[in-house]
Amino acid sequence: QKEVEQNSGPLSVPEGAIASLNCTYSDRGSQSFFWYRQYSGKSPELIMFIYSNGDKEDGRFTAQLNKASQYVSLLIRDSQPSDSATYLCAVNGVENNAGNMLTFGGGTRLMVKP
Amino acid sequence: GAVVSQHPSWVICKSGTSVKIECRSLDFQATTMFWYRQFPKQSLMLMATSNEGSKATYEQGVEKDKFLINHASLTLSTLTVTSAHPEDSSFYICSAREGQTQPQHFGDGTRLSIL
Repeated sequence: QKEVEQNSGPLSVPEGAIASLNCTYSDRGSQSFFWYRQYSGKSPELIMFIYSNGDKEDGRFTAQLNKASQYVSLLIRDSQPSDSATYLCAVNGVENNAGNMLTFGGGTRLMVKP
Repeated sequence: GAVVSQHPSWVICKSGTSVKIECRSLDFQATTMFWYRQFPKQSLMLMATSNEGSKATYEQGVEKDKFLINHASLTLSTLTVTSAHPEDSSFYICSAREGQTQPQHFGDGTRLSIL
């Protein structure tokens, strides 16, 4: 059974600070890693994806992947109140005949306080 | 790019009604589409995976005869909730992806309320 674990939070950070969101996964065969943001009552929105070990930066967001430790993180620099949402970590690996599936973590709720 | 359109966004209907939800990839060909359900304050739960032209693969505990999925083209998948009951009320979300390692892109979701 593949598992993706996240701290449910809430993670509270002041405006302008760096928010650090963490995720661990159990399946060493996992190949692709995604971060989605979900506002309350809305569907998930893709923020970042990363396939290789190391860091990947896109604007205020940096995804970090360490396959040896089975760990993926998302850093949000200069956090804004509009970043307040639930962040879902998702991991993709060979799963079944229907093709690779995403396994989602339970999400971390981020609160950025003005 | 990578826009997924889902309709309708909100449905309210009587118990026993069948409801069809459409999911379209607007600017890419979706080889695989996924259907999720999410109850308030809970995680996304995958219901089924469908590849174009093939029968859907349902997750354990999801009734195939109740949740009919059709993926007849590379840009359209439909989910029909047959004879819906109040316990089927939920937020249904589709997603689509172009290739096996590509990201899934989500539609805006359909909020289904069965009275």
